[in-house]
Amino acid sequence: EAEVAQSPRYKITEKSQAVAFWCDPISGHATLYWYRQILGQGPELLVQFQDESVVDDSQLPKDRFSAERLKGVDSTLKIQPAELGDSAMYLCASSSQGWGSSYNEQFFGPGTRLTVL
Amino acid sequence: GIQVEQSPPDLILQEGANSTLRCNFSDSVNNLQWFHQNPWGQLINLFYIPSGTKQNGRLSATTVATERYSLLYISSSQTTDSGVYFCAVEERDTGNQFYFGTGTSLTVIP
Repeated sequence: EAEVAQSPRYKITEKSQAVAFWCDPISGHATLYWYRQILGQGPELLVQFQDESVVDDSQLPKDRFSAERLKGVDSTLKIQPAELGDSAMYLCASSSQGWGSSYNEQFFGPGTRLTVL
Repeated sequence: GIQVEQSPPDLILQEGANSTLRCNFSDSVNNLQWFHQNPWGQLINLFYIPSGTKQNGRLSATTVATERYSLLYISSSQTTDSGVYFCAVEERDTGNQFYFGTGTSLTVIP
């Protein structure tokens, strides 16, 4: 069964260091999402891609976070420099929705749990 | 953005009991999903249900889009049902962004 892959699964870093997370969506899925989930809360969208284009990054703290999906397939989310408040689960999801389609079911990867010391 | 409220926030059940989880949303939606977050943090798809009723084994879900709510039914609960249940809605006409509720934490005790 096709799955969303993420790596690493766990990351411990010190504040002010740089970290990067990788996501490989389900093959053929055009839409890719990065979410951040703080303990005890629901996931919140950071950035959404349609193919290689950013559709929504309004909640991405652009002074320290960046995201790219250069070839419209896999994606990288980077934080530089990391802060204590960035400790959270970072989730990637993909869906097969194309332009003009109303069907939009998301599938999630296992997530990357980030701890900033 | 759209507001998504889930109730109850916490639920403790004896194994074998039935339960109903509710998701209310504040505006029209294109799509709605129910997820179960396992102890390792992964979100598992339960239902894709923008409207109507679906059943999958002991679980079923109903969405009444015109009244802006969805219900998740768990029958004959098992300890493996424990975890956090989230609903997520895609707000209509906003470029496909999904909004999550704060979840219902379910504990099933043997």
